[in-house]
Amino acid sequence: AQKVTQAQTEISVVEKEDVTLDCVYETRDTTYYLFWYKQPPSGELVFLIRRNSFDEQNEISGRYSWNFQKSTSSFNFTITASQVVDSAVYFCALSEVWGRDDKIIFGKGTRLHILP
Amino acid sequence: DTGVSQNPRHKITKRGQNVTFRCDPISEHNRLYWYRQTLGQGPEFLTYFQNEAQLEKSRLLSDRFSAERPKGSFSTLEIQRTEQGDSAMYLCASSRRDRTFLERDTEAFFGQGTRLTVV
Repeated sequence: AQKVTQAQTEISVVEKEDVTLDCVYETRDTTYYLFWYKQPPSGELVFLIRRNSFDEQNEISGRYSWNFQKSTSSFNFTITASQVVDSAVYFCALSEVWGRDDKIIFGKGTRLHILP
Repeated sequence: DTGVSQNPRHKITKRGQNVTFRCDPISEHNRLYWYRQTLGQGPEFLTYFQNEAQLEKSRLLSDRFSAERPKGSFSTLEIQRTEQGDSAMYLCASSRRDRTFLERDTEAFFGQGTRLTVV
């Protein structure tokens, strides 16, 4: 069965600090997708990134970067030079690609507070 | 395309009443998901469809919950004999999954949700 664990329930940092959100996953499938979504106070889930398990290259998009480590089943998300607008709940999610159980499941989320 | 649309945005109902929510996915998406989210929790999987076929229904769901996706387009989620514990945000998402060409797969796009309050 699939499982996504986000051990950090809440993080607070001062603006301009770097912050890393942890995500650990479990799956029996060898091919899967990993996702990060942002849920700002407005409530709508906003897609940030999708990573294929067969592509271990890390990705950077502006102040956001993602570190995919297959060996440790982790897909961590780092925000560099954080801003107040980054305050939100962030969800990591997992979906098998070829398996019969290919629904998307989510972790419980990490609430991030960026303090001015 | 205007994205995933959910109606109504808010619903207040008395305990014991039936409610129905509607989701209109992005037009070219073959996958449609329903999730439930309560305060401080992540989206909890309820059910999902590939075109008109319902692939799985969460074991956490009681028989009071039913979902349909006739003709593989919009979907409805019905809750019969609502209980106070059903109060939550109900989220719909759609995506495209193509097991032949993975490059065509998309992420799931979410609607704004329907907030249900059972009084």
